[in-house]
Amino acid sequence: GQNIDQPTEMTATEGAIVQINCTYQTSGFNGLFWYQQHAGEAPTFLSYNVLDGLEEKGRFSSFLSRSKGYSYLLLKELQMKDSASYLCAVSTSGNTPLVFGKGTRLSVIA
Amino acid sequence: SAVISQKPSRDICQRGTSLTIQCQVDSQVTMMFWYRQQPGQSLTLIATANQGSEATYESGFVIDKFPISRPNLTFSTLTVSNMSPEDSSIYLCSVDIARAEAYEQYFGPGTRLTVT
Repeated sequence: GQNIDQPTEMTATEGAIVQINCTYQTSGFNGLFWYQQHAGEAPTFLSYNVLDGLEEKGRFSSFLSRSKGYSYLLLKELQMKDSASYLCAVSTSGNTPLVFGKGTRLSVIA
Repeated sequence: SAVISQKPSRDICQRGTSLTIQCQVDSQVTMMFWYRQQPGQSLTLIATANQGSEATYESGFVIDKFPISRPNLTFSTLTVSNMSPEDSSIYLCSVDIARAEAYEQYFGPGTRLTVT
């Protein structure tokens, strides 16, 4: 079966750094995705990792360790608009639908 | 990236009726996916729609309840049939776009359905 785990909720302060962890156990692996989803809106693509290591994109970075089945999304200089759900998703093979975790609801407070 | 539009963006429907949701993409794609996201939940895949063949449904979803059409490479429809309040959800279509290393999956804006 497919299993993706991430914390249900997190709270962080404006201007701080937060790390959202994701562990996965899937039948195959062809890349890991992070999406941001604001309430009532569709998910938007944030990042993609297929090789081990850190991918940095502005205030957001994503890390992958394939041997550990582990990824994290790092958000720096948090802003109030970063309050959203963050979805970890795994591609098990090319051109197949992603398997999604349940999402982490991040609340940024002043 | 891909530009994906969905119609309607939201609807309120009565129990027992059916609603057809349209999904239009600005480029030709082989596969389109339909997801459901119930309140407070993550995305659940309903089916994969290939052009020229029947859709492939995930466990717990059947064609009679969620018939899908895929008449060409830029368009698909999902019908929610004989609706009940449990079908109240956001319905999302999604496509894979090939990149150098892998496929990236993009989502439409979603259709928010409320069944009364």
